[in-house]
Amino acid sequence: DTGVSQNPRHKITKRGQNVTFRCDPISEHNRLYWYRQTLGQGPEFLTYFQNEAQLEKSRLLSDRFSAERPKGSFSTLEIQRTEQGDSAMYLCASSASLRTGNTGELFFGEGSRLTVL
Amino acid sequence: QKEVEQDPGPLSVPEGAIVSLNCTYSNSAFQYFMWYRQYSRKGPELLMYTYSSGNKEDGRFTAQVDKSSKYISLFIRDSQPSDSATYLCARGYSTLTFGKGTMLLVSP
Repeated sequence: DTGVSQNPRHKITKRGQNVTFRCDPISEHNRLYWYRQTLGQGPEFLTYFQNEAQLEKSRLLSDRFSAERPKGSFSTLEIQRTEQGDSAMYLCASSASLRTGNTGELFFGEGSRLTVL
Repeated sequence: QKEVEQDPGPLSVPEGAIVSLNCTYSNSAFQYFMWYRQYSRKGPELLMYTYSSGNKEDGRFTAQVDKSSKYISLFIRDSQPSDSATYLCARGYSTLTFGKGTMLLVSP
């Protein structure tokens, strides 16, 4: 399977605990995005990386959230001291560089669903 | 006003019907528009991508952009029960802004 892979698919945690999600993008894609989606809403942009550089962060990404992409390949999204309002689907997407003249379309993974009790 | 507005539905149609899904947008700076389809508990998948006014056709799907009225449409011909999903419109170039999505139910 050469699509975007996310793990775990579902995480249930208690309020106050830390959680970490992992995303493995399509191998030839150098751009990686994190989005959050709550029930009845469209995906909301959180942050994106080009290679290992984090180029943009949304104001939705509070201090409790941190994302890394240390070697420009897989990425992790960590949420510290989780709150019930963090319950959502966390979606990862990847795309090829816009410099190559492609359309920059995003390919999404299946998502990691977080439930905070 | 949200940048991309979309009626959440649900929109229920019988099999074989022509479906029209619509979005409006408020920011004229971006000229790239997409339609994604999302099945329940799955990630969104790209259906159509357009960067200009006019129509773009792909099989049973037609995307239409009217920049003068800031209106984006997706038409589905000969709708099938397998088309039952949430349809998300988005605009942007790299980072996307999505609408809330319209849930479509196609009954056999």
